[in-house]
Amino acid sequence: DAGITQSPRYKITETGRQVTLMCHQTWSHSYMFWYRQDLGHGLRLIYYSAAADITDKGEVPDGYVVSRSKTENFPLTLESATRSQTSVYFCASSDRTSGRRDTQYFGPGTRLTVL
Amino acid sequence: TQLLEQSPQFLSIQEGENLTVYCNSSSVFSSLQWYRQEPGEGPVLLVTVVTGGEVKKLKRLTFQFGDARKDSSLHITAAQPGDTGLYLCAGLDGGGADGLTFGKGTHLIIQP
Repeated sequence: DAGITQSPRYKITETGRQVTLMCHQTWSHSYMFWYRQDLGHGLRLIYYSAAADITDKGEVPDGYVVSRSKTENFPLTLESATRSQTSVYFCASSDRTSGRRDTQYFGPGTRLTVL
Repeated sequence: TQLLEQSPQFLSIQEGENLTVYCNSSSVFSSLQWYRQEPGEGPVLLVTVVTGGEVKKLKRLTFQFGDARKDSSLHITAAQPGDTGLYLCAGLDGGGADGLTFGKGTHLIIQP
């Protein structure tokens, strides 16, 4: 019963490099989300996906790319990393069957540092 | 963009004291959720409130949703060191957006 996992847990990269953060869930939840958490800003939505091959922008999508070819995976790619993308990234999933009482289940997070 | 203002940002109190954390917005939310986050982990849902005026209790924690569905509060009675953590409120937009809007959080420390 793995639930929702993220990899890597920690990543250090350099400005301009491409980085992909992985997210995998075992519940077959239809919805998946990517958030970033920064001091002074809280958690902000980057992208979300309602189903395989359906994605949409959140509050802060610039500089990020997502894909969802399989229901269980939702990778987040930073095409050319910048220092401002240093953050903790959280993936979440939800089955969206409870309407306003939906629960989002969060992964443990990936701490990304861009030098 | 809908905003959720949480207060206080930081709170350090002694074990046994009571406290209240507030979450306010100028916008109406279809539901309001409270999460707790431990260091190095993702947020975990504590409660969801959906009806204006709704009150929910979870042991020593009492959650209230404002009548106009724009604000919420979390009250902890007789706080314990195990209550230490980051408390986040999050609103679900009834206008069609599918992600949560989070407040910046309240860092709570309960000293023994």
